[in-house]
Amino acid sequence: AQKVTQAQTEISVVEKEDVTLDCVYETRDTTYYLFWYKQPPSGELVFLIRRNSFDEQNEISGRYSWNFQKSTSSFNFTITASQVVDSAVYFCALRQGGSEKLVFGKGTKLTVNP
Amino acid sequence: ETGVTQSPTHLIKTRGQQVTLRCSSQSGHNTVSWYQQALGQGPQFIFQYYREEENGRGNFPPRFSGLQFPNYSSELNVNALELDDSALYLCASSSGGVSGNTIYFGEGSWLTVV
Repeated sequence: AQKVTQAQTEISVVEKEDVTLDCVYETRDTTYYLFWYKQPPSGELVFLIRRNSFDEQNEISGRYSWNFQKSTSSFNFTITASQVVDSAVYFCALRQGGSEKLVFGKGTKLTVNP
Repeated sequence: ETGVTQSPTHLIKTRGQQVTLRCSSQSGHNTVSWYQQALGQGPQFIFQYYREEENGRGNFPPRFSGLQFPNYSSELNVNALELDDSALYLCASSSGGVSGNTIYFGEGSWLTVV
């Protein structure tokens, strides 16, 4: 079975603070893919990153960074110097190799206050 | 802009009616998936179409059905609407069927059943 847990339901920070969104996944496969998506109030899921199970290198893209640790089955997402425009619901998702579907966590609602 | 377009963006239907939602996939993508997102939840996989064939299905009843056309656009049909079908319906586009390629989402169709 595959499962994604985002334990933080809501997070509220003040602009310029750093914030980390947690994601823990469960899968029996050795080949799998992890994703993060951002969902603003408009509803569209905006792709942020894809990582395959064989690549544990952390990644940084501007103010965004991701920490993938297979030993703890975690794929955490950090926003540095948060901005009001970062306010959204963020979803972590898992896709097993050979599977047609994404399994999503319940999402973390991030509010960045000015 | 993901290149995935959905229509209509909002609609209201009465219980028992039928609805058709439409999706145009990103250029070059031959795989379309549909997801249902209830309020406050993560998206749930409905089914996937790859080269005009249903390629996998989630835990949804047969009154949820779909089509994929030769140009890879797709329709989601829901018959005998129930109040619980009220949700955001997201279309997702990718290439290669069950490969681990990135999945891009449209802005969704908000369905309200009254």
